[in-house]
Formats: sequence, C-alpha cells, structure tokens
Amino acid sequence: GQQLNQSPQSMFIQEGEDVSMNCTSSSIFNTWLWYKQDPGEGPVLLIALYKAGELTSNGRLTAQFGITRKDSFLNISASIPSDVGIYFCVGLSKNTGTASKLTFGTGTRLQVTL
Amino acid sequence: GAVVSQHPSWVICKSGTSVKIECRSLDFQATTMFWYRQFPKQSLMLMATSNEGSKATYEQGVEKDKFLINHASLTLSTLTVTSAHPEDSSFYICSARASYSHSNQPQHFGDGTRLSIL
Repeated sequence: GQQLNQSPQSMFIQEGEDVSMNCTSSSIFNTWLWYKQDPGEGPVLLIALYKAGELTSNGRLTAQFGITRKDSFLNISASIPSDVGIYFCVGLSKNTGTASKLTFGTGTRLQVTL
Repeated sequence: GAVVSQHPSWVICKSGTSVKIECRSLDFQATTMFWYRQFPKQSLMLMATSNEGSKATYEQGVEKDKFLINHASLTLSTLTVTSAHPEDSSFYICSARASYSHSNQPQHFGDGTRLSIL
C-alpha cells in the first residue's frame, strides 16, 4: 500500500527556533494536508494544499505541495512551547465514490525546550 | 467550525466484553465517516469507511465481524468492538466530512477513545 515517510521522526528544539519537517511518498497525491495531534486527542488540521507547487501559510506555519506531487514540507517559525505535539502529513487520493481516503505519514514528534 | 464528538473518551473493561464507541458530527451532516486505530507512538491507520445507510467498507486485514460499524443517521456512526481482548487495546479515532463538501476537503476528527482491555 501507499506509505508516507516523514522526516525527522522526532526533534528537540529551543523555543524561538524555526522548524522544518518533510514528507515523501512513493505515490502521487491530489491533496496534501498537515495535522497536529496533542497527547490523548484527535488530529487537528493545520494547513491544506490542493495544487502542485502551492505554498500556503497559517500564522507561523508554512507548507508547500511539492511539484512532483509526491512530497510536501512544513515549516514552523519562531517555535513556542505550545507547538509541542506530533505533526502528521496526510495524502488524499481519490477513492471510488465520493469518499477520499486519507493516508497518514509516520509522524514527526516535536518537543520544545525553554 | 465543524465539530466531531466521540463518546466515551476512555473505556476500561474486562476481556470478552463488547464495547461500543459513538462518533457524532455536531453541526453538519456526514454521509461518510471514517474509523482509525492508533497504537502508542504510531500513526493513524484507517480501519474502515462508514457509509450512511449502507455497509461499511473495511480495510485489508480488519475483521468486519470483530469491528461492527453502524451508520444509521447522517450524524452518527458507531463502532462496536466485539468480544474485546487485550490486543484490541488502542486509541480509536473517528473522522467525518460534511456531505455537501467536495471529496478532497479535509476531514474533521473526534478526540478519540482510549480503549483498555484487562
């Protein structure tokens, strides 16, 4: 099946630093999404990307949809303690009917030190 | 914004018990809902797609008789883990997408149900 590999798997950074993480796939996706999951909670959508090459920002977060449609990256600028959590990239592919399946990446665990 | 509610948030029960988890879309109708399972320090894995008024579609390797799904209304899907055993202990998460939205629109996730089987 399809797999999305995220890098890095985990990272420790100091408050105020910028963060970069990426996601690569062996398959093409029509849509890329980035979610954040806090411990014991469900994922929350951060950014959605719909076109190859698209660069989208949401506050301190910036994400890009790779030109090949097989990768995406997420940047977080000036990290703060509440950025702690697990970040998942998600690829969306067309399925039969109207329901599109989500394929989750392996996740990047972010921990911020003061 | 769109809200998806799961209940209960935490269940602890004895081996052999059947457990029902509810997933509700609070402010929108959802023709399709999705059920995921997440083991500690792992990603979310899709178990099945729940379709209102019809049978659920299960992913390869997921036993449909073990994980019963009922999507009886446009705002409610239930997942029943039948005769649960310790290996079924996991974090179960549902998601939903508004019926009126395009198929590539993001899904909204519930807060998950932590199931612990003793």
